[in-house]
Amino acid sequence: DTGVSQNPRHKITKRGQNVTFRCDPISEHNRLYWYRQTLGQGPEFLTYFQNEAQLEKSRLLSDRFSAERPKGSFSTLEIQRTEQGDSAMYLCASSKDTSNQPQHFGDGTRLSIL
Amino acid sequence: GIQVEQSPPDLILQEGANSTLRCNFSDSVNNLQWFHQNPWGQLINLFYIPSGTKQNGRLSATTVATERYSLLYISSSQTTDSGVYFCAVPFLYNTDKLIFGTGTRLQVFP
Repeated sequence: DTGVSQNPRHKITKRGQNVTFRCDPISEHNRLYWYRQTLGQGPEFLTYFQNEAQLEKSRLLSDRFSAERPKGSFSTLEIQRTEQGDSAMYLCASSKDTSNQPQHFGDGTRLSIL
Repeated sequence: GIQVEQSPPDLILQEGANSTLRCNFSDSVNNLQWFHQNPWGQLINLFYIPSGTKQNGRLSATTVATERYSLLYISSSQTTDSGVYFCAVPFLYNTDKLIFGTGTRLQVFP
């Protein structure tokens, strides 16, 4: 069990640029989640996948955000035309493919928009 | 959707002291997790405890689902316990989308 892996750990970019983050879940976990955490707040749900199917998206996920999990393994989260308000920690979690299983989180990607 | 509140918001302890953190939720749950977010931002699973009591070393947790609260006990606190403690429950019963509480920021001084 190698844990949930996220890359990069930190990303600094200029406003208006596109960024992409990657998440590799725990190998036997079919469910994958993305959350966003801003300073002083708890994580907020963005979206989740069961295998390659994206099952739910939050209202927080504007049309500049897109997430994929093409082969049901790793996932990517892309933000287009970044804005200063996108600065946050982006957390990925995974869980087994049955109800009411604990979610295990990666170390996150911290995004800073200049 | 469900509301989750934690208390106290801040806690300052001297090393060796004990503490109790509380998580109240507004509706029935079948899933509750406690997390510790360390000063480096890592979110670490402490307990998955929809009901009952569990213990792991100096930490234990109790969830009383019928009364809609959970407690996290930290005994003989250490400086490495510092950070923010979150509880999280599903947004709706039997769903996977987690709603996190407001958090308790713990500082343990030597």
